[in-house]
Amino acid sequence: NAGVTQTPKFRVLKTGQSMTLLCAQDMNHEYMYWYRQDPGMGLRLIHYSVGEGTTAKGEVPDGYNVSRLKKQNFLLGLESAAPSQTSVYFCASSPDRVITEAFFGQGTRLTVV
Amino acid sequence: LAKTTQPISMDSYEGQEVNITCSHNNIATNDYITWYQQFPSQGPRFIIQGYKTKVTNEVASLFIPADRKSSTLSLPRVSLSDTAVYYCLVVPMDMGRRALTFGSGTRLQVQP
Repeated sequence: NAGVTQTPKFRVLKTGQSMTLLCAQDMNHEYMYWYRQDPGMGLRLIHYSVGEGTTAKGEVPDGYNVSRLKKQNFLLGLESAAPSQTSVYFCASSPDRVITEAFFGQGTRLTVV
Repeated sequence: LAKTTQPISMDSYEGQEVNITCSHNNIATNDYITWYQQFPSQGPRFIIQGYKTKVTNEVASLFIPADRKSSTLSLPRVSLSDTAVYYCLVVPMDMGRRALTFGSGTRLQVQP
């Protein structure tokens, strides 16, 4: 049972390039989330999804797009990367239960130069 | 979504009990209180969740007063491995509103 898997683990982009981060979960969870965490800071919610085919904006959605075409996958896209998007990105999923225990991936360290 | 306020940092010594208080004045009736722990270079990990009064598990206790405007995470007899950042979250139970927002957290440093 892999849990939540993020691809890739590390990436360096040039300003203006685009890329997609993949989050895959094998726990049949309804909810999925994308966060960014800057050094010494807390996690900030970028976008989230409450089920297949749905997405919603979080606290810092600008510059990012997401899609959830399949229940197990949640994709985060950067159309035109900027140095301000240098961060560690975490994906998480949680089931539709009273106990809101979210399971996190190992993170993706993205550097935009 | 209810805003949470917690201390930026706390220091403790091994073997002591640590209490971290979180303020959430505008918590709604259908909101739950959830705490997570994060170690460096890792994603957060769920610790405990409650609605009112007291909840206890093998790791921690959560105390919630009747007005639910605050909550206290209690870690009994901390060890060096409890050094981490602790986040208090207020989570709506309504489908479609269950955004998990973390805030800045409390950085706990446990000394030998």
